[in-house]
Amino acid sequence: KNQVEQSPQSLIILEGKNCTLQCNYTVSPFSNLRWYKQDTGRGPVSLTIMTFSENTKSNGRYTATLDADTKQSSLHITASQLSDSASYICVVSSNQAGTALIFGKGTTLSVSS
Amino acid sequence: GAGVSQSPSNKVTEKGKDVELRCDPISGHTALYWYRQSLGQGLEFLIYFQGNSAPDKSGLPSDRFSAERTGGSVSTLTIQRTQQEDSAVYLCASSWRRGENEQFFGPGTRLTVL
Repeated sequence: KNQVEQSPQSLIILEGKNCTLQCNYTVSPFSNLRWYKQDTGRGPVSLTIMTFSENTKSNGRYTATLDADTKQSSLHITASQLSDSASYICVVSSNQAGTALIFGKGTTLSVSS
Repeated sequence: GAGVSQSPSNKVTEKGKDVELRCDPISGHTALYWYRQSLGQGLEFLIYFQGNSAPDKSGLPSDRFSAERTGGSVSTLTIQRTQQEDSAVYLCASSWRRGENEQFFGPGTRLTVL
């Protein structure tokens, strides 16, 4: 069964600290993996997208990694800011017909001052 | 330019009533998706429209759910005889085409069934 598992479920960190969010997937075949940021009451916004051949991709203070062999991805946030408080969702695209994307349940990050 | 818009932003209804949720995708996007996000759960795919092709309805949870996309643009998700378990945030997204391209999400409609 195609699944995307994220950990931790929630995380609280102090402003300025770094953190890493994890995503493990069992989706096959694999097309690409995206990380989305979803602010409270808003729709998800794409942070990064990685294909099979890409190991790392950065977007400002966000750096995503992908290990297609172990089917793991991480999202590293550097020098966190209060505005980073949100839900971070890992999404894997399969080449199979049917459901377009498989979504993780997300990690809720709270950055406090 | 304008993003994906959804209306209403909030909807409270009584059990057994019908509701209609509207989505205006980004102009020119041929693909449109509806998702449901229940409390503490990941997004759940409901239905997908691509151009003039027959929609992919594989995610609709029951025959009480239906959706239309008129003129290849605006879409309406209809839930008939609403149940309390239908309470969720309903998100619409659009993209240039399916799968590989980034989906741009609307702000969602929060549906509460009393």
